[in-house]
Amino acid sequence: KQEVTQIPAALSVPEGENLVLNCSFTDSAIYNLQWFRQDPGKGLTSLLLIQSSQREQTSGRLNASLDKSSGRSTLYIAASQPGDSATYLCAVPDNYGQNFVFGPGTRLSVLP
Amino acid sequence: DGGITQSPKYLFRKEGQNVTLSCEQNLNHDAMYWYRQDPGQGLRLIYYSQIVNDFQKGDIAEGYSVSREKKESFPLTVTSAQKNPTAFYLCASSIAKRNTIYFGEGSWLTVV
Repeated sequence: KQEVTQIPAALSVPEGENLVLNCSFTDSAIYNLQWFRQDPGKGLTSLLLIQSSQREQTSGRLNASLDKSSGRSTLYIAASQPGDSATYLCAVPDNYGQNFVFGPGTRLSVLP
Repeated sequence: DGGITQSPKYLFRKEGQNVTLSCEQNLNHDAMYWYRQDPGQGLRLIYYSQIVNDFQKGDIAEGYSVSREKKESFPLTVTSAQKNPTAFYLCASSIAKRNTIYFGEGSWLTVV
């Protein structure tokens, strides 16, 4: 059964720093991987989707990488801003492709 | 604008009552999902549907029921059999399995 973990659980950084969030999955036979952002009391917003054949995907200051063989993905945020403060979650399709398995998230605080 | 609409945003349930959370999407997506999120915890799948008139139980379906009579609608009923229903409920959809998943803004349910 696919399991997804995220480290660290929480992260606090000063504004302007570059940072990396980690996502690990137990079954490397994934179809794709998605990164999401969740603000307090809100739904999830899709940030990036990486297909299994891709190594990286970029959107603005965000860069996501995927290493299927090691079961890892990283989300790189450049020049962090207070507005980046949120919880970041990653998700992969389950082994049957019927639904998605989510990580517990990393709660990010960017201090002004 | 295309998207997923959940209502109500806040709902209070008395002991022994059934309540229904609405989820409507105008994205023409085939797949729809209901997740439960407890404070500080990850998302847990309640039910999902890949096609009209068909749905499957997720990891925590006990005490919940759904219907999928129309492609755009996937209401969730929280029955009196659900002993601890206080949580944040998220509805989501995707064009097909394994594709990008989109979320509504969520509904807060509190037992009073």
